Amino acid sequence: SYVLTQPPSVSVAPGETARITCGGDKIGSKSVHWYQQRPGQAPVVVIQYDSDRPSGIPERFSASNSGNTATLTISRVEAGDEADYYCQVWDLGSDHYFFGTGTKVTVL
Amino acid sequence: EVQLVQSGGEVKKPGESLTISCRGFGYSFISYWIVWVRQMPGKGLEWMGIIYPGDSDTTYSPSFRGQVTISADKSISTAYLQWSSLKASDTAMYYCARLKSHGGNPSGFDPWGQGTLVTVSS
Repeated sequence: SYVLTQPPSVSVAPGETARITCGGDKIGSKSVHWYQQRPGQAPVVVIQYDSDRPSGIPERFSASNSGNTATLTISRVEAGDEADYYCQVWDLGSDHYFFGTGTKVTVL
Repeated sequence: EVQLVQSGGEVKKPGESLTISCRGFGYSFISYWIVWVRQMPGKGLEWMGIIYPGDSDTTYSPSFRGQVTISADKSISTAYLQWSSLKASDTAMYYCARLKSHGGNPSGFDPWGQGTLVTVSS
């Protein structure tokens, strides 16, 4: 089993920057995908392959991955960014997929 | 438009069987993998398993192996998640999602179905 640890919550004022971490053993050697799940909705991918932003996702969303930590950064936070965010990887050794514990972003 | 459309919510009693579905539209269903994900009330996302509709190649998470069955009917572009005997602890939202590539350097899950809420209560 591969464990991905995220902070349970992050609070940020509108216009400021939110950073969400995802910790895992040598996660820098894996591709990390990030999902946004707004209340009552299905998840949506916001970052693929560590830092690629799918079409339609604002440039305010960016990410990095190195060592034992991947980070999702949301710049110029808006009220609509309030959601749960999950990191996700595929583990070669087990051929299984794993999600992070999830982080609730609250816009103050 | 690429989309996955799931079957409607279900209310069942413990011990009953259930099959929920996920139909793909707007793409070649047999060319992409389908994953199933569970979200228990107020909890996070859990990967259950994956199927390749082209040949029904299936892999289960150890947490769900033996508890559910994943299958697909490529003739109608539909994947299924099945229980033979439901428990109250199966109460959850279940999502399907498309995966462009599995193994090697897999893509993210995109898009997702709208979810199917399964409620198991006596």
